Amino acid sequence: GAVVSQHPSWVICKSGTSVKIECRSLDFQATTMFWYRQFPKQSLMLMATSNEGSKATYEQGVEKDKFLINHASLTLSTLTVTSAHPEDSSFYICSAKKGGTNDINEQFFGPGTRLTVL
Amino acid sequence: SQKIEQNSEALNIQEGKTATLTCNYTNYSPAYLQWYRQDPGRGPVFLLLIRENEKEKRKERLKVTFDTTLKQSLFHITASQPADSATYLCALGGSYIPTFGRGTSLIVHP
Repeated sequence: GAVVSQHPSWVICKSGTSVKIECRSLDFQATTMFWYRQFPKQSLMLMATSNEGSKATYEQGVEKDKFLINHASLTLSTLTVTSAHPEDSSFYICSAKKGGTNDINEQFFGPGTRLTVL
Repeated sequence: SQKIEQNSEALNIQEGKTATLTCNYTNYSPAYLQWYRQDPGRGPVFLLLIRENEKEKRKERLKVTFDTTLKQSLFHITASQPADSATYLCALGGSYIPTFGRGTSLIVHP
């Protein structure tokens, strides 16, 4: 199968600090990775699309200076929440695809990272 | 505006019965539709994909239908088990990144 891991699985931080979340595809090369956030009982909201070696494409309303995404290799993408505030507390989930952004391939999701900002 | 609607109320059924979940959409023309399972505090897990030119897809106890005229997909789990209890998400895809519905919670009672 295709496995995607995330680290950490949960993090608690103080307001104003930065938090980095890693997303790794363990047994395949992911040309495209996606970052989502999910509030309780809500749908997955796409934040950005990340392609290896290029700048991420952010969805409307997502601050790219606040949510820094780096896709340095075909197996690793990172999301850094800078100067986190309590309203950034959420469940952050990454996913990876083997093909391009619009290829009809299933997305393989990571287990998610629960961020709590105090 | 574009909408994906999944029943926000939980579906409660008895073990052994067939569970049927609905995904309706408006102002989309998806090339395909996917169903995912999500357990609490976990990421979604892919279950099935059905393309716009397919009426029905099956996988073990799962069956998905796709009616592009009604703009609706039905997701069936036959002989349901308590282990099937989870939230089920539909996602529409095409010339755009798949967009997810809110999901419907399924609770199978022993």
